[in-house]
Amino acid sequence: EVQLVESGGGLVQPGGSLRLSCAASGFTFRSFWMHWVRQAPGKGLVWVSRINSDGSIINYADSVKGRFTISRDNAKKTLYLQMNSLRAEDTAVYFCARELPDSHIYYGMDVWGQGTTVTVSS
Amino acid sequence: EIVLTQSPGTLSLSPGERATLSCRASQSVTSSYLAWYQQKPGQAPRLLIYDASSRATGIPDRFSGTGSGTDFTLTISRLEPEDFAVYYCQQYGSSPMYTFGQGTKLEIK
Repeated sequence: EVQLVESGGGLVQPGGSLRLSCAASGFTFRSFWMHWVRQAPGKGLVWVSRINSDGSIINYADSVKGRFTISRDNAKKTLYLQMNSLRAEDTAVYFCARELPDSHIYYGMDVWGQGTTVTVSS
Repeated sequence: EIVLTQSPGTLSLSPGERATLSCRASQSVTSSYLAWYQQKPGQAPRLLIYDASSRATGIPDRFSGTGSGTDFTLTISRLEPEDFAVYYCQQYGSSPMYTFGQGTKLEIK
């Protein structure tokens, strides 16, 4: 079964750090680009970051640039998001998702994890 | 910066009716880079449509996507009870790289 399972969420104080993980199974992890997408309580979806298949291309939303770091370990089939200098506005459910790369068509984020909740509060 | 505006914000319909959801971009979007998702409460989003009009694996043919340029539409031909959810359009572009619309809530009338 194709699956993504996030972990690492929790309650953290403003200014603190947290590392999220996303474990992949049931597919060839190294062939896919991977994303983090977040959703604040009662709000819509917001893209956070993307990493390509071998980790050589990384992109961030402006709102997290300089504070968050995406990485992956293809041997462990795991995606990570290191979050530093956390703010109240980072409170959200964080989803990981995969994308099959193609130079001509965007195939969308076709597999998503169930999400992990990050709460930034004192 | 590309902004995707979805309308209506809420759509109230009955099972069996046809639903038409709109997604308008602030500037032209490459059709190949437009997707639609469905999200139910407490669940992860589910990919419905990619490439503006191609159904993702396992998506029923009552879901269809059309459009080009700045105007895109998701149509559900005959609503089933399980179709009531929030729907998001999304584009892949330059700045920001991936943008979602604010969502349309499809509710039972």
